Amino acid sequence: GNSVTQMEGPVTLSEEAFLTINCTYTATGYPSLFWYVQYPGEGLQLLLKATKADDKGSNKGFEATYRKETTSFHLEKGSVQVSDSAVYFCALFTYNFNKFYFGSGTKLNVKP
Amino acid sequence: GAVVSQHPSRVICKSGTSVKIECRSLDFQATTMFWYRQFPKKSLMLMATSNEGSKATYEQGVEKDKFLINHASLTLSTLTVTSAHPEDSSFYICSARTGGTNTEAFFGQGTRLTVV
Repeated sequence: GNSVTQMEGPVTLSEEAFLTINCTYTATGYPSLFWYVQYPGEGLQLLLKATKADDKGSNKGFEATYRKETTSFHLEKGSVQVSDSAVYFCALFTYNFNKFYFGSGTKLNVKP
Repeated sequence: GAVVSQHPSRVICKSGTSVKIECRSLDFQATTMFWYRQFPKKSLMLMATSNEGSKATYEQGVEKDKFLINHASLTLSTLTVTSAHPEDSSFYICSARTGGTNTEAFFGQGTRLTVV
């Protein structure tokens, strides 16, 4: 079946620290992979995506590489800011089932 | 990027009444729309998938007669919570896809439903 597993939170970092949020997946076929971010009381915003193996998605200093061999799509940022505090969701989409599968979300707290 | 507008953002209703939530794609045609429910500090639970002009496909365990979904046009889908009860209180989020080779989905702002 299809599923996404991401690291439990919350993750608490100081400003300018390095961030990694792990995400692994299982999927049939060739999924597209995404990271979405959710701020309190809001819907989800697309942060970045990758549609095939070895693609690197990047946006606002965040990066993630689609690793087929390890079925992973870890989110990284070199220097986090207080404004990055939010919940981050890893997700995959498959054409076979025409739907998204979301991880459980990882809450990031960045302290000044 | 593409914009999905969800309305209302918050609604409080009495037990036994029905509530309609609208989801509109403002600048693109949404061939597929998804409705999710999110519990506090939890991930998104897919309720149903709707394609324009056809009946929604509900996930296992979601009551079709309670959560009525209509996708009447390529820019509008509605979720009606019928005969709402306090346990229906939740955060409901819609998302929309353009379809084809573009796989990403765009999300509405969410609706906080409180049933009293």
